[in-house]
Amino acid sequence: DIQMTQSPSSLSASVGDRVSITCRASQGISTYLAWFQQKPGKAPKSLIYAASSLQSGVPSQFSGSGSGTDFTLTISSLQPEDFATYYCQQYNSYPYTFGQGTKLEIK
Amino acid sequence: EVQLVESGGDLVQPGGSLRLSCAASGFTFSNAWMSWVRQAPGKGLEWVGRIKNKVDGETTDYAAPVKGRFTISRDDSKNTLYLQMNSLKTEDTAVYYCITAPRPGPWGQGTLVTVSS
Repeated sequence: DIQMTQSPSSLSASVGDRVSITCRASQGISTYLAWFQQKPGKAPKSLIYAASSLQSGVPSQFSGSGSGTDFTLTISSLQPEDFATYYCQQYNSYPYTFGQGTKLEIK
Repeated sequence: EVQLVESGGDLVQPGGSLRLSCAASGFTFSNAWMSWVRQAPGKGLEWVGRIKNKVDGETTDYAAPVKGRFTISRDDSKNTLYLQMNSLKTEDTAVYYCITAPRPGPWGQGTLVTVSS
């Protein structure tokens, strides 16, 4: 199975900050990577697919990059509604696997 | 607008069975591959399994913890995805979501399965 490792596991930041979350795959996955946002008590929301393509309706402050084994989710200017937990997922091979999550908290 | 509505979650005893449904709308369901994903209380997301479309043979793949106990099926005439869960264990307690595959799209609200005596 492909292991997905996110860093950091938690992150404190302020409104307006630029933040980046990293996701590393244990083997190459091309660009078969998605990012999700989840707020407490809510279903996840799809943000990015194919490593860098924004889902419809997702604000442009979100961006994704990377290929192979190293990927990054960047939020260019944090808004109050962006404080949540973020997950990456590879869909290159079965079983599809998720990262452990990164909790983004208000400083 | 893509909509996925999961249902069928319940409290069930260990060793019991349950069937979840996922009603899809807003896209051509018969063309889509679909996955189930679950989330145990306070934990991260876990992929459960996937079914391809009819053209691709309706092939299924499963995560190791559920293989041999869970079965994914679909009824394209009803735009509905199913998850048959047998021999349930306490560790199957989770909110279950359906989602398009392999490229994930919008999520439904999920349905809660609680396995407890």
